[in-house]
Amino acid sequence: QVQLVQSGAEVKKAGASVKVSCKASGFTFDRYGINWVRLAPGQGLQWMGWISPKSGDTQYPQRLQGRVTVTADTSTGTAYLDLRSLTSDDTAVYYCARVPVSPRGRLNYFYGMDVWGQGTTVTVTS
Amino acid sequence: SSELTQPPSVSVSPGQTASITCSGDQLGDKYVFWYQVKSGQSPVLVAYRGLGRPSGIPERFSSSKSGNTATLTITGTQAVDEADYYCQAWDTTTLFGGGTKLTV
Repeated sequence: QVQLVQSGAEVKKAGASVKVSCKASGFTFDRYGINWVRLAPGQGLQWMGWISPKSGDTQYPQRLQGRVTVTADTSTGTAYLDLRSLTSDDTAVYYCARVPVSPRGRLNYFYGMDVWGQGTTVTVTS
Repeated sequence: SSELTQPPSVSVSPGQTASITCSGDQLGDKYVFWYQVKSGQSPVLVAYRGLGRPSGIPERFSSSKSGNTATLTITGTQAVDEADYYCQAWDTTTLFGGGTKLTV
């Protein structure tokens, strides 16, 4: 069964860091890139970053540069999102989602995010 | 990078056709994808490449594109289709539209 299973809910103090995991099963991990997307209360979907486990390439939105790191462990088929210096604005549900990559591990613009994790709720308290 | 603009809300009667647009600079050069998000559930890819839909998605969902505007069309809209819908395109960063709340 093709699925992405994420780690459980987190409650963090403002200024702390959070690390969310996303474990893949049922498909070949390094044939896909893993995106991280969040949905905050009353907000729309926001892209947080992307990694190609095959090539190690990463990409982040400008607004999060220096505060977010996405990593992947190909030995366990798990991707991670690390978000630092948390504020109340980071309270959201965080999702991982896969997208096919080229044989060299490059993002394949022909495809969308076809499998999503179940979501991880991150709550930031003051 | 450019932004993607969607109407905040669309309302349709059951059985009618719902159209949700997504516009952006140079969108004509990009593949556009559509996601359905229901309350408390993970997003679901419902249409892609501006022309088709993934397997398992009902035939009433279709997508198209003209110039820099992409459109998600739901023909014979059902109450179960009530959700938020987002367009997405790949650019130097990954772009999402602001989302459209579909009320049936």
